Parts: sequence; C-alpha cells; structure tokens
Amino acid sequence: GAGVSQSPSNKVTEKGKDVELRCDPISGHTALYWYRQSLGQGLEFLIYFQGNSAPDKSGLPSDRFSAERTGGSVSTLTIQRTQQEDSAVYLCASRFLAGGAYEQYFGPGTRLTVT
Amino acid sequence: DAKTTQPNSMESNEEEPVHLPCNHSTISGTDYIHWYRQLPSQGPEYVIHGLTSNVNNRMASLAIAEDRKSSTLILHRATLRDAAVYYCILSLLGETSGSRLTFGEGTQLTVNP
Repeated sequence: GAGVSQSPSNKVTEKGKDVELRCDPISGHTALYWYRQSLGQGLEFLIYFQGNSAPDKSGLPSDRFSAERTGGSVSTLTIQRTQQEDSAVYLCASRFLAGGAYEQYFGPGTRLTVT
Repeated sequence: DAKTTQPNSMESNEEEPVHLPCNHSTISGTDYIHWYRQLPSQGPEYVIHGLTSNVNNRMASLAIAEDRKSSTLILHRATLRDAAVYYCILSLLGETSGSRLTFGEGTQLTVNP
C-alpha cells in the first residue's frame, strides 16, 4: 500500500522567504510527527499531532516554525523568514495508534536548502 | 528522555552475523527499546522493539539484558543492503500514546562484500 509521502522532495529558497512542506500520512494513521535532520546528524523532533488533541509543539526551534494538520490527515510545516540554519532534511512520520502497532513510518523527506 | 550510547561505527562481512550494542543505563521501567535504521538518502525504517523479553522478527533479533541497562540488535546474516545507520532509541511508547522518538547519533554499519 501507499506509504508516507512528502512534497516537494527538494526545495531551494532564498534567505528570508517562507516555505511550506507537505506530508501525506498513511491513511488511517492518527499520529503524525515532524522531525528534521541536519547534515550528518541524527533526527530532531519538531512537532507531534495525535487525533484531535492539541499538538505537542515542544520541539519547534523558534516561532518561525509552525505546523497544522487538516482533517486529521495531511499536514503542512511552515517556516517563515527562512534562515540558512534551517537547511536540513525535514522528515514526516505517521503511526497507527492501536492494536499493538508501535512503529513509525517515515516519508522520504524534503531537503530544504536556504541560500 | 533517557540516553542511549552506541559505537559510532561497526564493520561486518557479508553473510556473517552482526551484533550492534546499545547501552541505556538510565532506562526507566516504562521505557521501550526501539531500533530503527536509516539507509542512505532515505527516511528511517523501523526494525524491532522490545520491553523486557528478547524479540525476534523477520528483520532481526533484539536481545535485552536482564537488568535492561543494555541491549543488542542482532542481524543474523548481514547483506550489503543492511549497510545503514542503526539507531537505538528509548521511548515511553504506549499502545495509545504517541510519544516522540529521540534519535542519537547511531551506529554506522558497513558491510563488506
């Protein structure tokens, strides 16, 4: 079946511009996560959505970062006034919260380059 | 989040077993031990998880020490496709609670033909 998809796969933007990154989770998965991975580093948690509960935003690095999840499905991560240190691969993951299913399924990521 | 310690890198030969260690001396009683791996230019991929007992699945085995302060991921016969960064992660992951995964630096596994 279809996995987690993300778009675009690559995004190059100029410093100061806003960007939107999209995540389509696996159908029926109620939990959705955003992480980012800087070059040669491990993954850094950003935000987590679970059903209709308030999202866990504790990993967002600044108020320039925001995310929403519409209709419990698609999620958009928005970075305003991008900075060069925002350059990273942004990864989305989803998970089915029941039935002993523990694994998170990751998308291929969006590589963001801020010039 | 409790911290895990892994070797930065390991090497193996193709078709030989690989034992990837992980230390987690500050693990709490409710922490699950998860292993993910990340192949080059891909998102991480779930490998296995466990709580107290050893676990086996089609990809690997997970051996958990009796005191739970360490664990070992076992790949029974390494293939070239197993070359990846392997992450050992502790998570308060329940069946109905989401819980983030906190990734460390992981172990870069090289598989030699």
